[in-house]
Amino acid sequence: DVQLLESGGGLVEPGGSLRLSCAASGFTFSNYAMGWVRQTPGEGLECVSPMSATGGTAYYADSVKGRFTISRENSQNTLYLQMNSLTVEDTAVYYCVRYNDAWYSPHPIDYWGQGTLVTVSS
Amino acid sequence: EIVLTQSPGTLSLSPGERATLSCRASQSLGAYLAWYQQKPGQAPRLLIYGASSRATGIPGRFSGSGSGTDFTLTISRLEPEDFAVYYCQQYGSSPQTFGLGTKVQIK
Repeated sequence: DVQLLESGGGLVEPGGSLRLSCAASGFTFSNYAMGWVRQTPGEGLECVSPMSATGGTAYYADSVKGRFTISRENSQNTLYLQMNSLTVEDTAVYYCVRYNDAWYSPHPIDYWGQGTLVTVSS
Repeated sequence: EIVLTQSPGTLSLSPGERATLSCRASQSLGAYLAWYQQKPGQAPRLLIYGASSRATGIPGRFSGSGSGTDFTLTISRLEPEDFAVYYCQQYGSSPQTFGLGTKVQIK
């Protein structure tokens, strides 16, 4: 079974940093595009950053561009999201997701992790 | 950015009834539209992709239709486990975007 297990969420002050990790299992990680989607009660679901299977191509939502960096280590079946200069607007549940192809576009998300909560507050 | 508008916001129905959910796009999507179901405290689950193809393990009572800018998710006969929030997502254009959801609640 496909499993995506996020970690690294928590409480951080505005301006701080966090690094999220996603440990994948149950499939050949290096064959699939992966990404991060966040959810807030007010803004709904937002695709933060997808990345291709090889790690060679990534996309960033305008809201996080220049502050967040996605990366993957295919030998470790792990996806990362480095989040810097956090603001209260980044408070959300962050989901690790798998796309059903080596490329994220134009392909749907077929699996989601359970999510990790990031709270940005002083 | 493509905006997806879902309607209605809330649908109050009884088990056994038919549910019809709408998703309208601000630009043509072709068939690059997916539907997800989310229950409280859980992650979304893929139901439909390519506007009308059911994902693995999804019951036949779920069906999707439409193309271009107007799409529909139909649940033919609601089961107790179908009461949830449903989201549409377009994945043909970056950034991929989601609608705000339709909540299907018990009447």
